[in-house]
Amino acid sequence: GENVEQHPSTLSVQEGDSAVIKCTYSDSASNYFPWYKQELGKRPQLIIDIRSNVGEKKDQRIAVTLNKTAKHFSLHITETQPEDSAVYFCAAPHPGANSKLTFGKGITLSVRP
Amino acid sequence: GAGVSQTPSNKVTEKGKYVELRCDPISGHTALYWYRQSLGQGPEFLIYFQGTGAADDSGLPNDRFFAVRPEGSVSTLKIQRTERGDSAMYLCASSPDRSTEAFFGQGTRLTVV
Repeated sequence: GENVEQHPSTLSVQEGDSAVIKCTYSDSASNYFPWYKQELGKRPQLIIDIRSNVGEKKDQRIAVTLNKTAKHFSLHITETQPEDSAVYFCAAPHPGANSKLTFGKGITLSVRP
Repeated sequence: GAGVSQTPSNKVTEKGKYVELRCDPISGHTALYWYRQSLGQGPEFLIYFQGTGAADDSGLPNDRFFAVRPEGSVSTLKIQRTERGDSAMYLCASSPDRSTEAFFGQGTRLTVV
């Protein structure tokens, strides 16, 4: 099965700085990589995803980069704001079932005003 | 409805009791997933439905857990003889098909006392 790990487990940044969260996976056949944001007491929300046929994808202040050779992908948040504070989960799918996901343990991002 | 709906939002039950958790997916979504999220952890896959059938139930922890989706829409997760270790947030997600992103409901927080 898939093994997904996230580093670091917590990250604190100053408002306006950038944050980078890294995720590694084990199954080289995985081809879809989502990032979810979960605020306290709320549902995980998909914020960005990337498929294996591209190396980078951007959406306003967030971007995801994928390195298939090294089997890792990263979430980049620029110009961080206090409302970016949340737990961020990366996930990787079981091959052939992109919504049967194995999630990492999550990273708590704190943005200091 | 606009999103995935789960009821109840909170459920407190006594050890040994039977509980049912309901998920109403986004209209037209054929794929439906149940996940369980313990405090401080990422969601863990339980079971996946494609239409009415359970395509993959490999994540169900034991035979006390069962889920149905008789008409290919609403799904019910059933837990028999509940144990304190079953306490968690139970999340349901749906997607148009198994190859596209999943959208999560708000979850049911189950507490077994």
